[in-house]
Amino acid sequence: GDSVTQTEGQVALSEEDFLTIHCNYSASGYPALFWYVQYPGEGPQFLFRASRDKEKGSSRGFEATYDKGTTSFHLRKASVQESDSAVYYCALGGANTGKLTFGDGTVLTVKP
Amino acid sequence: EAAVTQSPRSKVAVTGGKVTLSCHQTNNHDYMYWYRQDTGHGLRLIHYSYVADSTEKGDIPDGYKASRPSQENFSLILELASLSQTAVYFCASRTGRTEVFFGKGTRLTVV
Repeated sequence: GDSVTQTEGQVALSEEDFLTIHCNYSASGYPALFWYVQYPGEGPQFLFRASRDKEKGSSRGFEATYDKGTTSFHLRKASVQESDSAVYYCALGGANTGKLTFGDGTVLTVKP
Repeated sequence: EAAVTQSPRSKVAVTGGKVTLSCHQTNNHDYMYWYRQDTGHGLRLIHYSYVADSTEKGDIPDGYKASRPSQENFSLILELASLSQTAVYFCASRTGRTEVFFGKGTRLTVV
């Protein structure tokens, strides 16, 4: 079945550091890829999506590029802030049903 | 802003008892979903529905039932709660090719 692997379980950075969270997927067909962010006590919130090879999704300074060749969708941000501290989930989904398959999440902690 | 409301927000249930988690959306969305989140893990799909009076099994349906009596409401039912069902449960909704909107979650503890 479909699966998503996030390499980093936890990432600790200082403000203005560069962020990379690695996401690789395994799926049949051509899934849409997503990044979600979850703050304490809240449900996951949509960050952005990409639906085709080489498409870049972006929001709030975060970005990721759909790479079908390496089956990856790595999250990057040039300069993180303390307010970016949260759990980040990579997910893949079917275009019709909207069913999402999530990775295990990456806890990002940014120190001031 | 899309709204998905879950109730209760937390619940303690006894092993073997019946538990019903409720979800209400005001978005006029067709699709509704129930996900389970375990500590340190991502969300996994339990059941979903794309129309009232119809439900579909997700990836981990065993031990759970779902009910969609109207477009706005979607319930998750644990007929015989077990310790292994202790988790946080999220309801979500979507229409067409929009993003999926999640509720704030229900923390269920089975003792």
